[in-house]
Amino acid sequence: DQQVKQNSPSLSVQEGRISILNCDYTNSMFDYFLWYKKYPAEGPTFLISISSIKDKNEDGRFTVFLNKSAKHLSLHIVPSQPGDSAVYFCAASAPRAFNKFYFGSGTKLNVKP
Amino acid sequence: SQTIHQWPATLVQPVGSPLSLECTVEGTSNPNLYWYRQAAGRGLQLLFYSVGIGQISSEVPQNLSASRPQDRQFILSSKKLLLSDSGFYLCAWRPQGPHNEQFFGPGTRLTVL
Repeated sequence: DQQVKQNSPSLSVQEGRISILNCDYTNSMFDYFLWYKKYPAEGPTFLISISSIKDKNEDGRFTVFLNKSAKHLSLHIVPSQPGDSAVYFCAASAPRAFNKFYFGSGTKLNVKP
Repeated sequence: SQTIHQWPATLVQPVGSPLSLECTVEGTSNPNLYWYRQAAGRGLQLLFYSVGIGQISSEVPQNLSASRPQDRQFILSSKKLLLSDSGFYLCAWRPQGPHNEQFFGPGTRLTVL
């Protein structure tokens, strides 16, 4: 029973264009969402997060959007760079279980030069 | 600043042999600690987490176990490895309290033959 889903296993984007990575969740109790970036043979690194009291959070080229009614969040990368090529994971936690994160299965982003 | 160490970086073990992976965190106290596994082409599966010394929560029943003998040390063990235990094992830490991100270690690549 996967509570956080990333339905696109891969995405290919041209350098300079926008990359949009999507994530859906089923648990309406989730109130904190994160995106991680992972290169092969390395641990994931934290990218950006958003609390459920917001619908948008921006950090440089990265913006996360949260649509609570649709139980959907997305990560926008503008402009995309070849160094952004990696696997991106979304994760979520709930208030009563904030020690535990639920991760999606990841989306592999390839930014072509 | 905080750092997280995992060792070994890679490990090749025969089926039926024991396992011990170690994770230590520096620069913080009383962290939440986590063990994840990423199987080939899969997402991050939470195996164990700990909110304090001697406190272990198991998420997936299997032949693995975890222990936290010291505040900043987390150990993943097995008495007898199975082929299906192969994967990339990640340790992570997180400050206590809600709305904090996890920080991952570099990972251990385990191959069971």
